[in-house]
Amino acid sequence: DGGITQSPKYLFRKEGQNVTLSCEQNLNHDAMYWYRQDPGQGLRLIYYSQIVNDFQKGDIAEGYSVSREKKESFPLTVTSAQKNPTAFYLCASSNAWELSGSGELFFGEGSRLTVL
Amino acid sequence: AQSVAQPEDQVNVAEGNPLTVKCTYSVSGNPYLFWYVQYPNRGLQFLLKYITGDNLVKGSYGFEAEFNKSQTSFHLKKPSALVSDSALYFCAVSGRENNDMRFGAGTRLTVKP
Repeated sequence: DGGITQSPKYLFRKEGQNVTLSCEQNLNHDAMYWYRQDPGQGLRLIYYSQIVNDFQKGDIAEGYSVSREKKESFPLTVTSAQKNPTAFYLCASSNAWELSGSGELFFGEGSRLTVL
Repeated sequence: AQSVAQPEDQVNVAEGNPLTVKCTYSVSGNPYLFWYVQYPNRGLQFLLKYITGDNLVKGSYGFEAEFNKSQTSFHLKKPSALVSDSALYFCAVSGRENNDMRFGAGTRLTVKP
């Protein structure tokens, strides 16, 4: 079945450690996104990529890094520079590149990161 | 950059009654507008979108939304609420000049039997 797979679903990290969240899609979508969700704040855009080997910062990119070496994959690294990393992270994709922003997002099931 | 506002943190309705979840937007030019639903500890699911054309958009599970350009609103509606509609609802906007989608803070809908 086509879709977006995020892993791991739950992740615990000690302060000072970097962690990488995986996001894979088999929908053949060009655009991929990472959002962070905190209670009462909705979804905030971290990074997005409209094409392989290219990505742009969203509203809260500080302390995060991404890569887009393959169309199917868009991993997110939460670095030790991120001051408050405990959150629910959502990856999404769309065929927005062809449709100029009119394509809806398809979301993964999320990864919940907790810093101990 | 584009943005949306959802003025209500929580909406409570009785089963069988009509429901409305409000959304207003801000964007330069004509917007693309979306509604998504989220169940606990899950990703978001697409409900409906407005791109162009008819201001009344019909979507999944009996939901519909009305685009009102003069009021810059895109309220989500359903004629008869179900208990299973209880969830977190997000409005989102995407501009025609870029592909980054912005979300509102979400509205928690509770439908009581």
